[in-house]
Amino acid sequence: QSALTQPASVSGSPGQSITISCTGTSSDVGGYNYVSWYQQHPGKAPKLMIYEVSNRPSGVSNRFSGSKSGNTASLTISGLQAEDEADYYCSSYTSSSTSRVFGGGTKLTVL
Amino acid sequence: QVQLVQSGAEVKKPGASVKVSCKVSGYTLTELSMHWVRQAPGKGLEWMGGFDPEDGETIYAQKFQGRVTMTEDTSTDTAYMELSSLRSEDTAVYYCATMVSSGYYYDYWGQGTLVTVSS
Repeated sequence: QSALTQPASVSGSPGQSITISCTGTSSDVGGYNYVSWYQQHPGKAPKLMIYEVSNRPSGVSNRFSGSKSGNTASLTISGLQAEDEADYYCSSYTSSSTSRVFGGGTKLTVL
Repeated sequence: QVQLVQSGAEVKKPGASVKVSCKVSGYTLTELSMHWVRQAPGKGLEWMGGFDPEDGETIYAQKFQGRVTMTEDTSTDTAYMELSSLRSEDTAVYYCATMVSSGYYYDYWGQGTLVTVSS
């Protein structure tokens, strides 16, 4: 099972908005509303930021939002802050035998 | 609130096996579906397998089938992941991860266990 496709890196200045894409197939991203997004700072465990495409867990800033169109999901971070600098991973349920699949990860740099 | 506390770092020789533990507190293991995810140095997250409550079975990523075994001790609320026939490419941080409500996402993660495979 191939990983979902994410850009290797994105960057933005404080206060700006950025969007990270996550492209899969109709067997995963496009077929189910089970896309989740994780933030990972260096040396730390991943943290859930968005689940089921667009839901935010309690305690996650409303600057983070998720959406999906066809086989591509997106994570948008508005009002960029220095602490948003991290790696971001998307994940989806997949109907293949793998059951779960992650994206390759996107490194966000806050300039 | 779920807490997942994993066992400490391991150094293994090629061909050996490693068993990583994940102790649950705040909930009982029977209330959760435990999964395992690994991350090689400088690389992305890779799903290894976990318990599927719909089928009542543990499912493994095809890549690891035959080499990985995930078990649970409900008397101590501890989950285990054993990986055999280790090779250098298995050097990674191994995470246990789970969700409280039914779903296909992980809202709780262990702190990670570094497994180094080196001769």
